Amino acid sequence: EDKVVQSPLSLVVHEGDTVTLNCSYEVTNFRSLLWYKQEKKAPTFLFMLTSSGIEKKSGRLSSILDKKELFSILNITATQTGDSAVYLCAAYSGYALNFGKGTSLLVTP
Amino acid sequence: NAGVTQTPKFQVLKTGQSMTLQCAQDMNHEYMSWYRQDPGMGLRLIHYSVGAGITDQGEVPNGYNVSRSTTEDFPLRLLSAAPSQTSVYFCASRSGAGVNSPLHFGNGTRLTVT
Repeated sequence: EDKVVQSPLSLVVHEGDTVTLNCSYEVTNFRSLLWYKQEKKAPTFLFMLTSSGIEKKSGRLSSILDKKELFSILNITATQTGDSAVYLCAAYSGYALNFGKGTSLLVTP
Repeated sequence: NAGVTQTPKFQVLKTGQSMTLQCAQDMNHEYMSWYRQDPGMGLRLIHYSVGAGITDQGEVPNGYNVSRSTTEDFPLRLLSAAPSQTSVYFCASRSGAGVNSPLHFGNGTRLTVT
């Protein structure tokens, strides 16, 4: 059975802190791993990772994939209150995109 | 740019009623899918389609039917609603038959079954 496991499930930090969100996966026919940010409505796409060891970066967010150990991390530096959201990790198994349960991040002023 | 459009945004049904959740995309995407999102459960795949006339089951297909007669539309039917189907439903699409592209999500339909 395919599974994607995220940790921690929730996290509270102060503005300015750096956070690391974890995602491990076990899926058949793995193709790529994706990160999404979900606020009140639809998930919005952050990163897609297909190759091990290559960091993807967008502003204060970055992510990397380890295909040997089957995990990925999402780093957020200098957190802001606007970073408060649920962060979803998902892995493609064939056509299906399998999601983890998400990490709920709250950034307090 | 409309993207993925879902209607209605909210719906309340009584147990046993039927309804169709609508999903349309204007990006000419081949792949479309339906997910449900429940507290503590993440997003779970209900059904998906890789092109017009082709559908397949996801992780939680029971109680739901789909069809794909056009590239643009992918409706989700609940034939006899049950309280366990109370959830937020998301439709999502992506381009191409290959899997190396992200899903684009609609804004969701919040369904309550009483």
